Amino acid sequence: EAQVTQNPRYLITVTGKKLTVTCSQNMNHEYMSWYRQDPGLGLRQIYYSMNVEVTDKGDVPEGYKVSRKEKRNFPLILESPSPNQTSLYFCASRKGGVDGTEAFFGQGTRLTVV
Amino acid sequence: GNSVTQMEGPVTLSEEAFLTINCTYTATGYPSLFWYVQYPGEGLQLLLKATKADDKGSNKGFEATYRKETTSFHLEKGSVQVSDSAVYFCAPGTDYKLSFGAGTTVTVRA
Repeated sequence: EAQVTQNPRYLITVTGKKLTVTCSQNMNHEYMSWYRQDPGLGLRQIYYSMNVEVTDKGDVPEGYKVSRKEKRNFPLILESPSPNQTSLYFCASRKGGVDGTEAFFGQGTRLTVV
Repeated sequence: GNSVTQMEGPVTLSEEAFLTINCTYTATGYPSLFWYVQYPGEGLQLLLKATKADDKGSNKGFEATYRKETTSFHLEKGSVQVSDSAVYFCAPGTDYKLSFGAGTTVTVRA
């Protein structure tokens, strides 16, 4: 079954404590992205990757890091989380090089930073 | 970059009512257009798409037509069901980037 898997689904942490949200896809997709969803703002892209070792900033990258060492994995790293990073996070993957292809989303990670 | 203006919600309807959600966009280049749906507690899933002007995307009774001249991609369904209660997102997309609207929450009452 084609899927994007995120872990954990829920996370409560304290300000400044480094955390990683994992994302894995089994579709051999080139493109992967991280989004955050906030009320009234829709989804905003944090970072994206076009292939292994190729990453770039999206619209709201401050306070986040990513890496793409393998094609299937695209972890999101918060080195020093702050309360304004409390949000619902989604990872997505998409086949590259073809217009109009569907993005597949993970189930989401609800992060609370206190 | 791309941007999306989507009809604000929430929208509350009775079963079998007609639903329309307006969406207009600005984009560089020639984007593909998508509607995604998010059911409670779930991730987003593709509802329908259109990849060129005048294309009509359709799925589960929903339809939307790619209108390049008005840069719009309005979503419609002729007779909604309780199971259509969800958040709907309009999203123009090019290559690696989808740009999402704020989302429209739709609640259908029995």
